[in-house]
Amino acid sequence: AQKITQTQPGMFVQEKEAVTLDCTYDTSDPSYGLFWYKQPSSGEMIFLIYQGSYDQQNATEGRYSLNFQKARKSANLVISASQLGDSAMYFCAMREGVGYSGGGADGLTFGKGTHLIIQP
Amino acid sequence: DGGITQSPKYLFRKEGQNVTLSCEQNLNHDAMYWYRQDPGQGLRLIYYSQIVNDFQKGDIAEGYSVSREKKESFPLTVTSAQKNPTAFYLCASSSVWGLAGAYNEQFFGPGTRLTVL
Repeated sequence: AQKITQTQPGMFVQEKEAVTLDCTYDTSDPSYGLFWYKQPSSGEMIFLIYQGSYDQQNATEGRYSLNFQKARKSANLVISASQLGDSAMYFCAMREGVGYSGGGADGLTFGKGTHLIIQP
Repeated sequence: DGGITQSPKYLFRKEGQNVTLSCEQNLNHDAMYWYRQDPGQGLRLIYYSQIVNDFQKGDIAEGYSVSREKKESFPLTVTSAQKNPTAFYLCASSSVWGLAGAYNEQFFGPGTRLTVL
């Protein structure tokens, strides 16, 4: 069974609109962390935002916020006021067994990604 | 500037040949990782290392080998046993344990695109 599911292979959004990228996850570990990465056409992976399973509040980083619904096992990325430069692949990823401090060095499990295209 | 370098950017290999991909980091990170990405897919973990002279298999280790003789370096060898090696390979690094609330994000290199002819 997939541990990370991103159900939107592609999305077209008008510039300046808000965007929600879906991510659901599957784990029985009470300690886990969820990451979102952006991958432009150049191929580099850019870290956007992190949410820990014990975090009481939804994470926010500038225009990025994470809609974390623990009971539903979802961690959707919200991009406010989209820009043309936001066009890229977006990946949700998880690390299990992170511990309360968020530490740990196991690899990440990635979803298949969502290709976001911002239209002028 | 601190970061992760991967070389070469593009690599072509004949079938039956082994090839080694380089990954170097100057971020003073203890942990390093290798991922493989196929077109239209997410990243899959090949190997990772949390400390020098130690490494663990990831989800798709068959046909690959690694070494970790130095903290800064984590080369990946794609052997002839790898049935379908054409892919984009990404190296990453992270700290292992941080302050409370730290989340040890993984920093990625620019990647190596391997093509088997």
